[in-house]
Amino acid sequence: QSALTQPASVSGSPGQSITISCTGTSSDVGNYNLVSWYQQHPGKAPKLMIYEGSKRTSGVSNRFSGSKSGNTASLTISGLQTEDEADYYCCSYAGSSTLVFGGGTKLTVL
Amino acid sequence: EVQLVESGGGLVQPGGSLRLSCAASGFTFSNFWMTWVRQAPGKGLEWVANIQQDGSEKNYVDSVKGRFTISRDNAKNSLYLQMNSLRVEDTAVYYCASRAIAARPYYLDYWGQGTLVTVSS
Repeated sequence: QSALTQPASVSGSPGQSITISCTGTSSDVGNYNLVSWYQQHPGKAPKLMIYEGSKRTSGVSNRFSGSKSGNTASLTISGLQTEDEADYYCCSYAGSSTLVFGGGTKLTVL
Repeated sequence: EVQLVESGGGLVQPGGSLRLSCAASGFTFSNFWMTWVRQAPGKGLEWVANIQQDGSEKNYVDSVKGRFTISRDNAKNSLYLQMNSLRVEDTAVYYCASRAIAARPYYLDYWGQGTLVTVSS
């Protein structure tokens, strides 16, 4: 049940693209196509953005996309907007109906 | 509209106990797995526990096994987390969460606003 590894912070200018990585193991990210991504603004509850690795939840902009290769999942945000500034968390199914989250990445839009 | 409203948080001394509640509305509570997730101040999210629709299966993160108990009352549309032998490191906002469909809790569509638990002497 070790946390998934994410970079602590990433930054980009409006209109640019950024990618946040999420590294797990063959017991979680690498073993299931069940990675999800959450956006959290300060003082707010997390919001599900991406599920099953690459599927966007209803209402989420197509600027957000997810992918996976081996034990590493990635979230890409294109055409950065100021409202994208938030914390982002990956999460993976880890078997036996348990989940494991990443440590979180703070996105700064410069 | 789905609503999850947590309550029961507060200040408790190390070694003490607290019971959190989550009142659910806007969906058929008894059809869904329910989950607790916590977030220590300034830190990341941590999955804590979940419970199957009829309460027959419960799962916990290792750090709370033997101390926390998740339960539910489908007649009251309520989820609970009984926390015993609390430690300073249990200090966090505790969120109640669920999926949007009646399936295994691989991800969490709905979240409450959280309730703060502070363990301190």
